[in-house]
Amino acid sequence: QTVVTQEPSLTVSPGGTVTLTCGSSTGPVTSDYYPHWFQQKPGQPPTTLIYSTNNRHSWTPARFSGSLLGGKAALTLSGVQPEDEADYYCLFYFGGAQPWVFGGGTKLTVL
Amino acid sequence: QVQLVQSGAEVKKPGASVKVSCKTSGFTFSNYYIHWVRQAPGQGLEWMGIINPSGGSTDYSQKLQGRVTMTMDASTTTVYVELSSLRSEDTAVYYCARAGWGVLPYFDYWGQGTLVAVSS
Repeated sequence: QTVVTQEPSLTVSPGGTVTLTCGSSTGPVTSDYYPHWFQQKPGQPPTTLIYSTNNRHSWTPARFSGSLLGGKAALTLSGVQPEDEADYYCLFYFGGAQPWVFGGGTKLTVL
Repeated sequence: QVQLVQSGAEVKKPGASVKVSCKTSGFTFSNYYIHWVRQAPGQGLEWMGIINPSGGSTDYSQKLQGRVTMTMDASTTTVYVELSSLRSEDTAVYYCARAGWGVLPYFDYWGQGTLVAVSS
């Protein structure tokens, strides 16, 4: 069973920069995994921030960027705002019998 | 504008089935996939499966194979997920999400979620 791993929690100061990562039990993450990143605030559905590694939607603030870093997918928030406090989930495409798998999520605290 | 509007909350007994709907509007129904994702209380997101409204082909999570069925009604641009043999662990909020695959795959819009509670 494929496992996608994220940091359980991170803390960042307002105005700071933080990088969330997402790894795979299958080995180094590549663009063929089409990494996605989602933000979820309490009591709300997820919103899609980044698709296929580094593509923002029209509603995604420019301070969010996606990349591949050290064999993992990464989401970097630059100039963090208080409203960025949320849970963040990554998603990978593996194809085959289990096409899509979410990471366990990172709880980001802005303090 | 793109909208995915889901049906209301459900309470079911163990062993029963539940069917959740996702009414779509604001886009060409056959041009996008619909994924179903669920989230147990206090837990993370779990991918359940995908349906291609152009033809109705489906692909399901290995974990739910045999218990989950995704269907669609093109006349009402609505997709459905049905889960059978419910157990307490199926208590969760169920979401539908639109996705496309042009040059690259992408998720974009999500439904508001439907709470399914399984309790005797």
